[in-house]
Amino acid sequence: AQSVTQLDSQVPVFEEAPVELRCNYSSSVSVYLFWYVQYPNQGLQLLLKYLSGSTLVKGINGFEAEFNKSQTSFHLRKPSVHISDTAEYFCAVSDNAGGTSYGKLTFGQGTILTVHP
Amino acid sequence: NAGVMQNPRHLVRRRGQEARLRCSPMKGHSHVYWYRQLPEEGLKFMVYLQKENIIDESGMPKERFSAEFPKEGPSILRIQQVVRGDSAAYFCASSPPTGGWSYEQYFGPGTRLTVT
Repeated sequence: AQSVTQLDSQVPVFEEAPVELRCNYSSSVSVYLFWYVQYPNQGLQLLLKYLSGSTLVKGINGFEAEFNKSQTSFHLRKPSVHISDTAEYFCAVSDNAGGTSYGKLTFGQGTILTVHP
Repeated sequence: NAGVMQNPRHLVRRRGQEARLRCSPMKGHSHVYWYRQLPEEGLKFMVYLQKENIIDESGMPKERFSAEFPKEGPSILRIQQVVRGDSAAYFCASSPPTGGWSYEQYFGPGTRLTVT
């Protein structure tokens, strides 16, 4: 079984400031990791994913995340945020051990990022 | 290429009625996942289907909920005799048939079900 913890339910920042949204996971098998963004009353859009290889992954809209296996973390960062980044962000995992997981995602509770002018 | 489509976007049902939620996957996608987002919570997996087969329904409530993905037409999530606790956003995601399942799921806009 897997679990995902997003340590901050809300993160307020000012425009052009850097931001980090924290995500920790727990799993008995190795995992794939994802960050999704959800704008109000919309579906989820994939920001980035870690499958293997380089632990620093870059995504859309200037976001990046770093996979840290020893700390079981996958924190999302952006060096300079815009008003348009205001949304809810979800960290998710799926197990990559094959078998019967079928790629289903386990999500964190979400972090609401609010960018103030 | 149209994205994942869900309808209706908003659905209001009285307690005891049936709710039918539809999901049309992206073109060429044959795998469908349903997730539920309760208020103030993250998304929870419900069921994973391929054409004409339910592969994993471990997240589905044991009673009143069912899902199908027929050979032709959209995937349907059906909730019988709805209760207030069923009020939530229901999201469908699809993925292409790459090696059995894919690493990336494409989400629809969701159906927001309100039970009065």
